[in-house]
Amino acid sequence: DVQMTQSPSSLSASVGDRVVITCRANQDIKNFLAWVQVKPGTAPKSLIFAASSRQNGVPSRFSGSGSGTEFTLTITNVQPEDFATYYCQQCGTYPLTFGGGTKVEI
Amino acid sequence: QVQVVQSGGGVVQAGKSLRLSCTGSGFTFGNYGMHWVRQTPGKGLEWVAGLSYDGSNKYYVDSVKGRFTISRDNSQKMVSLQMDSLRGEDTAVYYCAKEGGYRGHLDYWGQGALVAVSS
Repeated sequence: DVQMTQSPSSLSASVGDRVVITCRANQDIKNFLAWVQVKPGTAPKSLIFAASSRQNGVPSRFSGSGSGTEFTLTITNVQPEDFATYYCQQCGTYPLTFGGGTKVEI
Repeated sequence: QVQVVQSGGGVVQAGKSLRLSCTGSGFTFGNYGMHWVRQTPGKGLEWVAGLSYDGSNKYYVDSVKGRFTISRDNSQKMVSLQMDSLRGEDTAVYYCAKEGGYRGHLDYWGQGALVAVSS
């Protein structure tokens, strides 16, 4: 199975900050990488697929980059509604696997 | 607009069975793969099972193989997860998710259903 490792596991940020979350795969997954936002009590929301493509309707302050084994999710100008937990997910092989999550807190 | 709506869930004794269902609307259901993902209390997301647009290919995480069965009825725009021989470690919120046009990308998710397995 492909192991996905995220860092940090949590971080504190203020409105307007730039936040960077890193995700590493233990083998080459090319660009088969997605990012998902999870807030308590709500359906998870897809943000990014193919490592850097934004899902329809996702604000441009969310961007993804990377390929192979190292990937990043960047949130520029963090807004109050962005405080949530973010997961990377490899999409290339079964079983699909997620990183451990990064909780973005005020 | 795309919607994925779940039903089912609840409290069940260990060793018993439970069935989750989900219906899709706002898209051509029979054209897309569908998946189940769970989130255990206080922990992260774990993909559980998925199947192809026509149901011909099914995939499972090792921990549920032989106990869970994923299926779909495209005429009813429905996907189901039959969970047998439930264990305490299966306790989680289960999400149904639609696969997007990009392999393995889960682009729309259901609202979640709690499955609690009691010993």
